[in-house]
Amino acid sequence: GAVVSQHPSWVICKSGTSVKIECRSLDFQATTMFWYRQFPKQSLMLMATSNEGSKATYEQGVEKDKFLINHASLTLSTLTVTSAHPEDSSFYICSARDRVGELFFGEGSRLTVL
Amino acid sequence: DAKTTQPTSMDCAEGRAANLPCNHSTISGNEYVYWYRQIHSQGPQYIIHGLKNNETNEMASLIITEDRKSSTLILPHATLRDTAVYYCIVRVYGGSGYALNFGKGTSLLVTP
Repeated sequence: GAVVSQHPSWVICKSGTSVKIECRSLDFQATTMFWYRQFPKQSLMLMATSNEGSKATYEQGVEKDKFLINHASLTLSTLTVTSAHPEDSSFYICSARDRVGELFFGEGSRLTVL
Repeated sequence: DAKTTQPTSMDCAEGRAANLPCNHSTISGNEYVYWYRQIHSQGPQYIIHGLKNNETNEMASLIITEDRKSSTLILPHATLRDTAVYYCIVRVYGGSGYALNFGKGTSLLVTP
């Protein structure tokens, strides 16, 4: 089946630094990618929707200047957490939509900010 | 997307069938019922989906009531590896731009 890969799977960084997470669709072209955040013992919360070649649409309460999303190609979307702080520590998951509308999820990236 | 209601948690003995219910009383005619699961610290995994007919695949069976207001996911022979949070989601198939909206799901614990 279709595969979505995230990298890195886990990252630890110092407070104030920026971290980039990549999401790749390995065997299909993803017209739309979604980014989720999941805090411990909570459900996935949609952060933003990104369409290839256009600006991302952010959910209410998600700071677009803090969570930079780039979807420059049909197989790659990146999420950059800028000036990360401990409260940004979370599990970040991407999902990619193929041309017929099926959704596939990455393995997730665990961010820990010290 | 229609809202769903699931029990918070369930237990199941290994080797037995696990039956996970979901209520979606406001489902629209063009909305499908999807089931995903999330094993701890992993991304969600697709299980099965259906519109109105019962569906079966190598992982599970999906039983949808005739009025489509509820459904049940059946894992016929649960194993310890099936311990996970199971999410029932209704959405328009192939809906452009539509993300999956996850509720709280059912935390299934399969015990030896």
